[in-house]
Amino acid sequence: AQSVTQPDIHITVSEGASLELRCNYSYGATPYLFWYVQSPGQGLQLLLKYFSGDTLVQGIKGFEAEFKRSQSSFNLRKPSVHWSDAAEYFCAVGRRGTYNQGGKLIFGQGTELSVKP
Amino acid sequence: DAGVIQSPRHEVTEMGQEVTLRCKPISGHDYLFWYRQTMMRGLELLIYFNNNVPIDDSGMPEDRFSAKMPNASFSTLKIQPSEPRDSAVYFCASSFPRTGMNTEAFFGQGTRLTVV
Repeated sequence: AQSVTQPDIHITVSEGASLELRCNYSYGATPYLFWYVQSPGQGLQLLLKYFSGDTLVQGIKGFEAEFKRSQSSFNLRKPSVHWSDAAEYFCAVGRRGTYNQGGKLIFGQGTELSVKP
Repeated sequence: DAGVIQSPRHEVTEMGQEVTLRCKPISGHDYLFWYRQTMMRGLELLIYFNNNVPIDDSGMPEDRFSAKMPNASFSTLKIQPSEPRDSAVYFCASSFPRTGMNTEAFFGQGTRLTVV
């Protein structure tokens, strides 16, 4: 069955420290990969996406993610965390095909990020 | 564009009442998705439409749930009768895919539903 696993339910980092959020997927083939962020009471905002090409993907707000096919992983990183990065982060996969609808996604359970001053 | 617009943002209703959630997709987007977010099950796809036609409703939990898209700029998700276990945040999203091109979905702010 297709699934997305985010092993860390909650992570706390100090402001200015580096961050890595883990995401592993189980899928029949290499899917399309996304990271979304959800601030309290807000909707989901796309941070970055991987469709093909360079396996290191740059996103908004200084985030990047690396697709590793051999590990079925798509971990999210940021070199220096800001207090405003505190939010919940979701990894998601979508089916690869002639085109993807963009929105038929399987989400991980999310990782809540807290930032210490 | 104002993005995907959902209304209301918050809804509190009594068990047994009918609830209608509304969504206006981004203009020009021809796919529309309804998701539900709960603590227990996370984010799960309920149903999606293409050109106003329901394509896959396999995620709709029960017959109490129904969704419509009467035109390209409006969709509703209705729960009748509502139950406390329907309490969740409901998200609407839209996308504009084209053959040979990749895209992503744009999400609304969500409607937080509380059934008491």
